[in-house]
Amino acid sequence: AQSVTQLDSQVPVFEEAPVELRCNYSSSVSVYLFWYVQYPNQGLQLLLKYLSGSTLVESINGFEAEFNKSQTSFHLRKPSVHISDTAEYFCAVSIRMDSSYKLIFGSGTRLLVRP
Amino acid sequence: DAMVIQNPRYQVTQFGKPVTLSCSQTLNHNVMYWYQQKSSQAPKLLFHYYDKDFNNEADTPDNFQSRRPNTSFCFLDIRSPGLGDAAMYLCATSRGEGRRPTYEQYFGPGTRLTVT
Repeated sequence: AQSVTQLDSQVPVFEEAPVELRCNYSSSVSVYLFWYVQYPNQGLQLLLKYLSGSTLVESINGFEAEFNKSQTSFHLRKPSVHISDTAEYFCAVSIRMDSSYKLIFGSGTRLLVRP
Repeated sequence: DAMVIQNPRYQVTQFGKPVTLSCSQTLNHNVMYWYQQKSSQAPKLLFHYYDKDFNNEADTPDNFQSRRPNTSFCFLDIRSPGLGDAAMYLCATSRGEGRRPTYEQYFGPGTRLTVT
């Protein structure tokens, strides 16, 4: 069965410091991987996705993630964080169910950026 | 802009009093999902519609029902809310197989339900 593990429930970091949020998945089939961000009292916003092709994917606001098949990982990184990056981050894998796809979420990592 | 809309954003209901949450979308996606998200937890899928076909998750309580009268709208009905049903309810959409499927889902802003 597919599953997603986010080992860090909370990551505190100072503003302008680099950060890495870890995500590991288990799947026996081809995977589609996602990072979603959730700000307080908001829905989930797609941050970036890996479907195929280049293993390094980037978002418009400076985040990047690298798909590593051998390590079954899809870690999220940003070289310099801002206060506004404070949010909950969910890693997810998409699996096929009937004619559509189901998202399996990790438990989430709260990124807390301090001044 | 194409989007997923949820109304209301905040809903207060009384213990045992039926409540309906609504979701609409302008993306013309044929798949719609309802999730329940409790504090500091990941979203939990309750059910989804593929076109008009309803698909319930095995562990979704009978207290939760859904209706999809047309492509654009989907409703979540909680027949007798308990204190444990207080949560954020998220609606999401995607495009299923046969129509250039989207593997990701597009989420609405959520409705925060309080049960008193």
